[in-house]
Amino acid sequence: AQTVTQSQPEMSVQEAETVTLSCTYDTSESNYYLFWYKQPPSRQMILVIRQEAYKQQNATENRFSVNFQKAAKSFSLKISDSQLGDTAMYFCAFLYSGAGSYQLTFGKGTKLSVIP
Amino acid sequence: GAGVSQTPSNKVTEKGKYVELRCDPISGHTALYWYRQSLGQGPEFLIYFQGTGAADDSGLPNDRFFAVRPEGSVSTLKIQRTERGDSAVYLCASRRTGTSGSSEQFFGPGTRLTVL
Repeated sequence: AQTVTQSQPEMSVQEAETVTLSCTYDTSESNYYLFWYKQPPSRQMILVIRQEAYKQQNATENRFSVNFQKAAKSFSLKISDSQLGDTAMYFCAFLYSGAGSYQLTFGKGTKLSVIP
Repeated sequence: GAGVSQTPSNKVTEKGKYVELRCDPISGHTALYWYRQSLGQGPEFLIYFQGTGAADDSGLPNDRFFAVRPEGSVSTLKIQRTERGDSAVYLCASRRTGTSGSSEQFFGPGTRLTVL
């Protein structure tokens, strides 16, 4: 079974600054995806960024980038130029892509507050 | 067209009652998932449908929980003899499969269930 650990229950960052959210995972599989989802108070889970395990290059989406360390099973999210709209819960998630249901396994989340 | 929709948005019921939660996935998405998100936790997998059949129901906590998807589109999660511990946000997600499939799951806004 896969596990995902987010060790930072809450974080805060000043507007326009950079913040990094941590995530580690445990799996014996070699084919998988990792995701960061954002959940604002509206409850809607929104995909922020995705990383395929077989790709060595770290994924980037505008102000969001990841540091994927496969050997260390680490997958951190960096948010640059933080904006007030980035305030939300952030969940790291694992998906085994070999076979089966493609169900997501989530961490407990990090509550990010962007301070004006 | 539109995203994943879920009804009702909020449901308050009394212990022992029966409830139904509805999910309307994105048109054409054959894969449908139900997750449960308890307070302060990440979502946890309940059940996965591929078309009309429940391909993986390993996350259902007990036999009071049941889900159907009779025509391969709308799904209903049914909870019998509700208990206070069932209080949570129930999230639905859908995914496109097949040759143009994707790993990304698109989430609905969830139903907040409160059992008094």
